[in-house]
Amino acid sequence: ELKVEQNPLFLSMQEGKNYTIYCNYSTTSDRLYWYRQDPGKSLESLFVLLSNGAVKQEGRLMASLDTKARLSTLHITAAVHDLSATYFCAVARNEKLTFGTGTRLTIIP
Amino acid sequence: NAGVMQNPRHLVRRRGQEARLRCSPMKGHSHVYWYRQLPEEGLKFMVYLQKENIIDESGMPKERFSAEFPKEGPSILRIQQVVRGDSAAYFCASSPPPGLAGRHEQFFGPGTRLTVL
Repeated sequence: ELKVEQNPLFLSMQEGKNYTIYCNYSTTSDRLYWYRQDPGKSLESLFVLLSNGAVKQEGRLMASLDTKARLSTLHITAAVHDLSATYFCAVARNEKLTFGTGTRLTIIP
Repeated sequence: NAGVMQNPRHLVRRRGQEARLRCSPMKGHSHVYWYRQLPEEGLKFMVYLQKENIIDESGMPKERFSAEFPKEGPSILRIQQVVRGDSAAYFCASSPPPGLAGRHEQFFGPGTRLTVL
């Protein structure tokens, strides 16, 4: 059974600081996703990572994938308040997504 | 191009009643997935359907839950004789058929928040 673990579960950051969210998974996978969810809202797709060594960047967020270590990271650079949300990684296998527990990120002014 | 649509957005049922949740995939998408999110948790896969076929229902509870995606019309997730533990947000996602651009992505609808009294 595929297991996906994220850490930390909760993260409070000051504006302007950098931090990394980690996503570990237990078995080989087709691809890995990062999503953002605001309270009471649906999931917004941030990144799709398809291959070992893949790195994608959008604004202050950068995601990477190491399939050998079964590890993905979501790096936040110079955090701003608008990035406050819950971030999920999800690993795909046979078209079905297994989600991590989520990281609730709070950016403090 | 409208996104994935779900209705109702909020649904309140008493214990023992039936809940019907609807999902219309994005135009051109033939694959539908249902996920359930309990409060403060991640999403859990329930079922994966193509038109008129259930491909993978390994995440569906064995009793009271069923799903369909008919040739015409939306996908339906049906919960019979609801209990309080069924209270959750139910999200539908859709993706294009294999071979088309974007086939790897699942696009999520706004969700239906079910409350069982």
